[in-house]
Amino acid sequence: AQSVTQLGSHVSVSEGALVLLRCNYSSSVPPYLFWYVQYPNQGLQLLLKYTSAATLVKGINGFEAEFKKSETSFHLTKPSAHMSDAAEYFCAVTPGGKLIFGQGTELSVKP
Amino acid sequence: DTGVSQDPRHKITKRGQNVTFRCDPISEHNRLYWYRQTLGQGPEFLTYFQNEAQLEKSRLLSDRFSAERPKGSFSTLEIQRTEQGDSAMYLCASSRTSGGGPDTQYFGPGTRLTVL
Repeated sequence: AQSVTQLGSHVSVSEGALVLLRCNYSSSVPPYLFWYVQYPNQGLQLLLKYTSAATLVKGINGFEAEFKKSETSFHLTKPSAHMSDAAEYFCAVTPGGKLIFGQGTELSVKP
Repeated sequence: DTGVSQDPRHKITKRGQNVTFRCDPISEHNRLYWYRQTLGQGPEFLTYFQNEAQLEKSRLLSDRFSAERPKGSFSTLEIQRTEQGDSAMYLCASSRTSGGGPDTQYFGPGTRLTVL
């Protein structure tokens, strides 16, 4: 069965600092991986997805993620945090059809 | 695209009552998904449809839960004899199947259910 694990339920960074949100996956087949963001009282918005076309995936709002098979990881990064990045971030994997989500990481950005 | 819409946005009910939620997907999206999200957790898959056909149901979907998509457009999720443990955000998503690779699921704003 496929699964994802997000390390750190809460991450706090200063405005302008690097954002690094960790996600590790478990899959017996090449996975399709996603990062979604959820702002308070809103639905989820897709940031980016990995479909095996390229290991470095660029998404919206300056985020990117790198697929590393040897580390079974798909960490999300952004070079410089902005106050508007404060939200909950979810990593997800799909075996086809449904999405299987991690527990989420809440990102706080300090001024 | 007007996006995925869900109605109502909030529902407060008493234990034992039945509730029904509606989801309107993005037009021409053939797949529709239901997820449940509790506080501090990631969404959990409940069920999904391709057109009218319900293709998969989670074990989380007890016999008190039923979902329909009668004409392959909007969907309803009904919970009978609600329990306090049913309190959660119910999310709907839709997608259009493509030839290769995974679909991108677009989420609605959710329906927050509170069972007293």
